[in-house]
Order: sequence, then structure tokens, then C-alpha cells
Amino acid sequence: EDQVTQSPEALRLQEGESSSLNCSYTVSGLRGLFWYRQDPGKGPEFLFTLYSAGEEKEKERLKATLTKKESFLHITAPKPEDSATYLCAFQGGSEKLVFGKGTKLTVNP
Amino acid sequence: KAGVTQTPRYLIKTRGQQVTLSCSPISGHRSVSWYQQTPGQGLQFLFEYFSETQRNKGNFPGRFSGRQFSNSRSEMNVSTLELGDSALYLCASSLRGPPETQYFGPGTRLLVL
Repeated sequence: EDQVTQSPEALRLQEGESSSLNCSYTVSGLRGLFWYRQDPGKGPEFLFTLYSAGEEKEKERLKATLTKKESFLHITAPKPEDSATYLCAFQGGSEKLVFGKGTKLTVNP
Repeated sequence: KAGVTQTPRYLIKTRGQQVTLSCSPISGHRSVSWYQQTPGQGLQFLFEYFSETQRNKGNFPGRFSGRQFSNSRSEMNVSTLELGDSALYLCASSLRGPPETQYFGPGTRLLVL
């Protein structure tokens, strides 16, 4: 069965302290990897789509990378407004989007 | 472009009742997917519709059903509500479906008493 595991479950950083979130998967026939950001009480907000190992994408302080077994979301010099839950999702051969449980990021000023 | 809209935003029902949730996709998007989000299980796929046809379905009981109209708007119905159905129900749309990026609506918060 397709599975996605995100770590850590929660991460607390000081403003400016860079770190990485991990997303590992056991999905057959990977067709896409997606990162979303979700604020409390809101729907997930799209960040990145990656389709093949070795692909990287950047947006402001965020950079997403993909290997054959996992994806990383690197956060450089985070600010308090980056506090949110970050979700990754994989789409495999079943064409169902399988989500991880998320990493709750808190950035303290 | 306007984003995905969902109505109602909040809903309170009692056990045994049924509920219908509505989703309007981004203009031009023909694929609509529904998800259930709970603190314990996270985001779980319910079903996906494309051109009024259900193309994929998750592992939920038959009490959960949906449909899509010719204008791509979609509805989700839950019959005989149970306490465990309390969740945030999210709708997402994409142009043609997997593996394209899906864009989510704000969700409908359902509370079953």
C-alpha cells in the first residue's frame, strides 16, 4: 500500500535558523510529488510540484528537492510568518493523492 | 482567477442526518477531488470526478457519495451521519486530473453531535 511519512512531526525554530523537513514514501510508479502549506482552519495552499528525481524548485525562502525515495523542503532563514503545517503528497500509479500527516513548523521571533 | 469555493463553510448536524456539501472549481478546471481531514488520520482521499464521471474512489463506506455537474461543480453527500464523520472536508480542482497540481478550497467544517 502507498505510504508517505513526514518527519519531524513538529519543529520549532528561531527566526533565521535554517532547517529541512523530510518526506519519505513507498509509492509505486511515482507520477508527482506535491508540497502544500496549511494554516489553521484553512485549506492547503500549493507550494511546489516535482515530477522526477533530481528536480529542485525554489520560492522565496523555500526550496524543494526530490530523490527516488524522499523529498526535502529546505527553509532558509525562516520568519515567523512561515509558521504553518507543511504537507507533502505523492501521486503514484493508482492516481490517488496520498498525503503525509504533516510537519507543524513554529518560527519564533 | 477566482479560487476553489466551498459552501457552506461550517455545518452542525446530528447523528443519523444527512448532509450535502458543494464545491465550485477554478474556472476551466474539469477535475474535482474530495478529501476528509481529521487530526488523527490527516488528509484522506474520498473520490475524484472528471466530466461528470467518478474516476477514482478512496476507502470510505458507501454512505459517502458524490456527483459532478456539466459545469464541473461538484457535490458530496454523506448519509446517516456518525460522530466520526466530524472533519474538515476539502475540495480540490485541477485542469484534467492526476498528475496535475490540485488547488484546494477553504473547506467545510462539519461537526456531528
